Amino acid sequence: EPEVTQTPSHQVTQMGQEVILRCVPISNHLYFYWYRQILGQKVEFLVSFYNNEISEKSEIFDDQFSVERPDGSNFTLKIRSTKLEDSAMYFCASNPGNSNQPQHFGDGTRLSIL
Amino acid sequence: RKEVEQDPGPFNVPEGATVAFNCTYSNSASQSFFWYRQDCRKEPKLLMSVYSSGNEDGRFTAQLNRASQYISLLIRDSKLSDSATYLCVVNYAQAGTALIFGKGTTLSVSS
Repeated sequence: EPEVTQTPSHQVTQMGQEVILRCVPISNHLYFYWYRQILGQKVEFLVSFYNNEISEKSEIFDDQFSVERPDGSNFTLKIRSTKLEDSAMYFCASNPGNSNQPQHFGDGTRLSIL
Repeated sequence: RKEVEQDPGPFNVPEGATVAFNCTYSNSASQSFFWYRQDCRKEPKLLMSVYSSGNEDGRFTAQLNRASQYISLLIRDSKLSDSATYLCVVNYAQAGTALIFGKGTTLSVSS
């Protein structure tokens, strides 16, 4: 069964540094998403991406964050000038494009900011 | 405001028990509904979609009440492997819109 893959599985970074989290969505899917989950809290939406542009973003997704699809397969989340509170699990997801079909999640990147 | 509320539990049940989880959502414009399962420090995995007429998948039954904005999940004949956090998830609009997650209900099945 096709799956969403994410790298790295764990990223440790000093506060103030930039990080790039990578995702390869399922190949025939059209919509891509980033979510985050702070330890002990619920999964929160960050951003959705369709047709090479952001289609929706949450209040969390401020100027510190950006997304890119640099080629035909990768989908990246960049976090500039990381803060301690950015420490979380970051999940990438993709969807064929029909809202009645669920989103499929990658196994996440654990980001630890020191 | 888009909210999904769940009883956090934990629900502690013996093997073979039947357990039910409830969920309410705040926005009547909600269109798609799902139950996901999340194991400790793992990604959410789809358990089942929830349809207006109710639907069943083996030991799992999901119900939707649009008038009350209420979703339920029933697990029959609980297995040890059912121990996890069950996430109620709602999509509010057409394709591409964010999933809104509840905080989850924790189930622990013991032998």
